[in-house]
Amino acid sequence: SQQGEEDPQALSIQEGENATMNCSYKTSINNLQWYRQNSGRGLVHLILIRSNEREKHSGRLRVTLDTSKKSSSLLITASRAADTASYFCATDVKGDYGQNFVFGPGTRLSVLP
Amino acid sequence: DARVTQTPRHKVTEMGQEVTMRCQPILGHNTVFWYRQTMMQGLELLAYFRNRAPLDDSGMPKDRFSAEMPDATLATLKIQPSEPRDSAVYFCASGFPETGGFYEQYFGPGTRLTVT
Repeated sequence: SQQGEEDPQALSIQEGENATMNCSYKTSINNLQWYRQNSGRGLVHLILIRSNEREKHSGRLRVTLDTSKKSSSLLITASRAADTASYFCATDVKGDYGQNFVFGPGTRLSVLP
Repeated sequence: DARVTQTPRHKVTEMGQEVTMRCQPILGHNTVFWYRQTMMQGLELLAYFRNRAPLDDSGMPKDRFSAEMPDATLATLKIQPSEPRDSAVYFCASGFPETGGFYEQYFGPGTRLTVT
């Protein structure tokens, strides 16, 4: 299985509710990032959390990192229809040739008005 | 508003043809990444360059793919000969190593390639 795997694969919620997505990974990381991708577009960086950090906030986003469990979560509070997108976690690990950047398969979030 | 640009946005070609995709990174970014996205495989890192030198292209099929940075404002990804299994969206991203060596990557809009 992949280095980064998001869970769930798809999530559907009502506007105003909170959305939580999880990411698990296998090897030690330097940092973990979350990206958003709207349909047909490139990815947009949301937030980065370093391996020595446990929690980070940015607006309505809250990211946690548990290196002992090799997992991270992304919480979007008070969701809006505009949050509908796919969300990816990306890990920055040491590869054979230096750094390697691995994206998970993503969580498809649908926020219903 | 600095952005990564990619051309073409869409490309339809026949099997066996050469395909060249171009990327203009954000000015000042010294690292360029090439990714391929498909429904089956998700987002895969093909190669990345720092200061125009290839750092890692282990994700790229060497027999038909090649990536170059002729200058700091242009990165190219070439497929020759193309095959139907190359059909995907190809993204370029650029970044600059922050303190600690990590990158916030800025993605272009992608090139949607269809090989028939």
